[in-house]
Amino acid sequence: RKEVEQDPGPFNVPEGATVAFNCTYSNSASQSFFWYRQDCRKEPKLLMSVYSSGNEDGRFTAQLNRASQYISLLIRDSKLSDSATYLCVASGFHTGNQFYFGTGTSLTVIP
Amino acid sequence: NAGVTQTPKFQVLKTGQSMTLQCAQDMNHNSMYWYRQDPGMGLRLIYYSASEGTTDKGEVPNGYNVSRLNKREFSLRLESAAPSQTSVYFCASSEFEGSNQPQHFGDGTRLSIL
Repeated sequence: RKEVEQDPGPFNVPEGATVAFNCTYSNSASQSFFWYRQDCRKEPKLLMSVYSSGNEDGRFTAQLNRASQYISLLIRDSKLSDSATYLCVASGFHTGNQFYFGTGTSLTVIP
Repeated sequence: NAGVTQTPKFQVLKTGQSMTLQCAQDMNHNSMYWYRQDPGMGLRLIYYSASEGTTDKGEVPNGYNVSRLNKREFSLRLESAAPSQTSVYFCASSEFEGSNQPQHFGDGTRLSIL
């Protein structure tokens, strides 16, 4: 079983919509979680860390649900510039602190 | 701000050829990483260096070697390239090794092995 799994999408949403992605992780010992954004043929860029209490950065909100072993990313008021692939990451001592990346969820925001 | 710099950006090799991918960071980070990214597979760790002078295997190390030349530079070598090593290679760095340390990526090397 993969350490991290994501729905690949694609998600096609109109501008201004709210969209949410979930990402499940297989090992309950995972301690740290991140969301990265990757534009086509570019490098992954850190979007936000995911904290136990949940955290918000402008239009982006990340949540962690340890009981169900998933993290989520909510994007409000979607912009055309939000079109990208979103990668989730899980890590912990059980992985030797290695990052395990999901395969990514593709988002296209339509005018 | 250069951040993490990778060279070359693109490379085409023939099976059996060797080459070295270069990576340098100017953020004074202690830890550096090499990943490969393949369609449907996500990013997979090849090797990493927690600090200058140390290197360790990641998830997919076979066919690769690495050298942590100094704190800034971490190179990845393919001794005898195989078509299965066709991929996009990313170098990354973090301030320290640790599951809570975000990693920052270079813009990648696109490598094709014929």
